[in-house]
Amino acid sequence: DAVMTQSPLSLPVTLGQPASISCRSSQSLVYSDGNTYLTWFQQRPGQSPRRLIYQVSTRDSGVPERFSGSGSGTDFTLKISRVEAEDVGVYYCMQGAHWPLTFGQGTKVEIK
Amino acid sequence: EVQLVESGGGLVQPGGCLRLSCAASGFTFSSYAMTWVRRAPGKGLEWVSAILANGANSYYGDSMQGRFIISRDNSKNTLYLQMNNLRAEDTAIYYCARIVPGSFDYWGQGILVTVSS
Repeated sequence: DAVMTQSPLSLPVTLGQPASISCRSSQSLVYSDGNTYLTWFQQRPGQSPRRLIYQVSTRDSGVPERFSGSGSGTDFTLKISRVEAEDVGVYYCMQGAHWPLTFGQGTKVEIK
Repeated sequence: EVQLVESGGGLVQPGGCLRLSCAASGFTFSSYAMTWVRRAPGKGLEWVSAILANGANSYYGDSMQGRFIISRDNSKNTLYLQMNNLRAEDTAIYYCARIVPGSFDYWGQGILVTVSS
């Protein structure tokens, strides 16, 4: 199985400051079609998960530009340029290149 | 508008069974693979199972293999998860989601399953 390892698991951030979450896979996430299937989800308290970014760096419609994704192969990063109060929640990376599909442990973002 | 609505959750005793449903609307259900994901209390998201668009192939997470069965009825735009021999550790909110290449783009609101005596 492709093991997804996120860090940190807890991320206290000051409003307006940047935040960064790392996600590492035990296997390359480059699929046979040439695409890299790494997705970032946000789960706010009491809500369903919401997709923010897919294929490493493509933002979903309606996702603020302060969210960005980068990386390649096995190492990926989600960055929030300036954290806002509505960004509080748990962030997960997920790989879609290998069965079984697997999530990272989640990173809890909170405001200091 | 894409909508996914789960139902069928509730309280069940250990060893019991339950069938979850996910009613889909707003898109051509028969064209998409679908999946179930769960989140246990105090834990992270765990992928449960997936089924291809025509229902010909299905996949399961390691701890669900042999106990859970995913299925779909494309004539009813509905996804199912039959859960057998339930354990306390299966207690979770279960979400259905739509699969697009390598990702999930739409999620339901979730349904709570509690396994307890």
